[in-house]
Amino acid sequence: KAGVTQTPRYLIKTRGQQVTLSCSPISGHRSVSWYQQTPGQGLQFLFEYFSETQRNKGNFPGRFSGRQFSNSRSEMNVSTLELGDSALYLCASSLVEFGEKLFFGSGTQLSVL
Amino acid sequence: AQKVTQAQTEISVVEKEDVTLDCVYETRDTTYYLFWYKQPPSGELVFLIRRNSFVEQNEISGRYSWNFQKSTSSFNFTITASQVVDSAVYFCALSEGGTGTASKLTFGTGTRLQVTL
Repeated sequence: KAGVTQTPRYLIKTRGQQVTLSCSPISGHRSVSWYQQTPGQGLQFLFEYFSETQRNKGNFPGRFSGRQFSNSRSEMNVSTLELGDSALYLCASSLVEFGEKLFFGSGTQLSVL
Repeated sequence: AQKVTQAQTEISVVEKEDVTLDCVYETRDTTYYLFWYKQPPSGELVFLIRRNSFVEQNEISGRYSWNFQKSTSSFNFTITASQVVDSAVYFCALSEGGTGTASKLTFGTGTRLQVTL
C-alpha cells in the first residue's frame, strides 16, 4: 500500500511570506503528526491531528498551525516566515493506539531566504 | 521532562565490523515506548524497532539486535557485520504514556553511521 506522501518536496520562500505543506497519510491511518528537523535543534514535534482535531502540540509559536480533513489528509501552515524556519518538515501517520510506530514521509525541505 | 541522549555523534566502521549505537533516556513515566528509526539520505525516517517499558528483553532480528536495560535507562542497538547500505543517521526516540498519544516522540540527536569498504 502507498506510503505517506508529502508535497511539495522542495520549497523556497522569502521572509514574511507564508507557506502551506501537504501530507497524505497511509490509507486507514487516522493520526497525522508533524515534525521539524533542523541541524541545530534536531527533530522536534510540532503537532498531531486525529479526527480533524489537534490532539497534541509542541513548543512552537502560533505562526505554526495545521489542520486535518475528513479523509485524514493534513496540511500545516507557517505564516510570516523567518530565516530560522528553514528546515525539513516531516509528516508521519499512524494508527491511534499508544505505542504504535510512525510511518514517515520523505519530507518537505523549506528554505527561507 | 523526557529526554533522549545519543552521545555518539558519528561513527565510522569498515564493512563487516560490528557496531553498537548507544541510547540513554530519561522519563518519569512507568509506561513508555522506545523506538529506533533510521534516516537514509532520502530523508524519510524508517522504523526499525519498538520496545515497551514492561518487556525488558533483548531481541535479535537478522543482523540487528537490541539491548534494553531499565536499570541503566539504556536502549542500545547493534548491527552485526555492517554493510555499506547501513550508512545512515540512526535516531532513538521515546514516547511516554502520559502524552496520551502515539505520535509525540522525543528524539535523540541522532548518530551518523558511515560504513566504508
